[in-house]
Amino acid sequence: GEKVEQHESTLSVREGDSAVINCTYTDTASSYFPWYKQEAGKSLHFVIDIRSNVDRKQSQRLIVLLDKKAKRFSLHITATQPEDSAIYFCAASSDSNYQLIWGSGTKLIIKP
Amino acid sequence: EAAVTQSPRNKVAVTGGKVTLSCNQTNNHNNMYWYRQDTGHGLRLIHYSYGAGSTEKGDIPDGYKASRPSQENFSLILELATPSQTSVYFCASGDAGGSTEVFFGKGTRLTVV
Repeated sequence: GEKVEQHESTLSVREGDSAVINCTYTDTASSYFPWYKQEAGKSLHFVIDIRSNVDRKQSQRLIVLLDKKAKRFSLHITATQPEDSAIYFCAASSDSNYQLIWGSGTKLIIKP
Repeated sequence: EAAVTQSPRNKVAVTGGKVTLSCNQTNNHNNMYWYRQDTGHGLRLIHYSYGAGSTEKGDIPDGYKASRPSQENFSLILELATPSQTSVYFCASGDAGGSTEVFFGKGTRLTVV
């Protein structure tokens, strides 16, 4: 079945720099790729998604890139701020299998 | 604002006891999910439901049962709790189809002693 891998378990960047979190997937039929954020001790909430009909999407400081050939997608956070510190989860689903398959999470630390 | 409410928020149970985790959503979503979150494993799907009366096994269903008596409510039942089920449990809801935003509850921290 589909697998989604997040390659960095922890990522540390200096405040103001950009952070990049990478995910890969195995199912070529995957068509929907959301990202969720979990702040310390809290629940998960949606931050941004991308669908397979585009290769780039931006929402304010968040950019998602999708490389279907490499089966890779990434979350770019520009001009990082302390409140960006959290665990970020990627996920994928396909039109044939509606279940979201989750990555294991990347803990992003923003250093002052 | 989409709302998913879990109860209890914290629970200590004894080994061999029965535990019921409850979830209520006011989003009128067809799909509901139960996940557990453990360090190093991310989110793992236990059971899910497509609507009232339906329950489906997720990736790690052993030791858990689920019940969806209505559109709004989805319960996770541990008939014989074990220490290995100590975890944080999240309920979530989403529109049918899976390619839309999923809304999570605040989680239940379960400790089985």
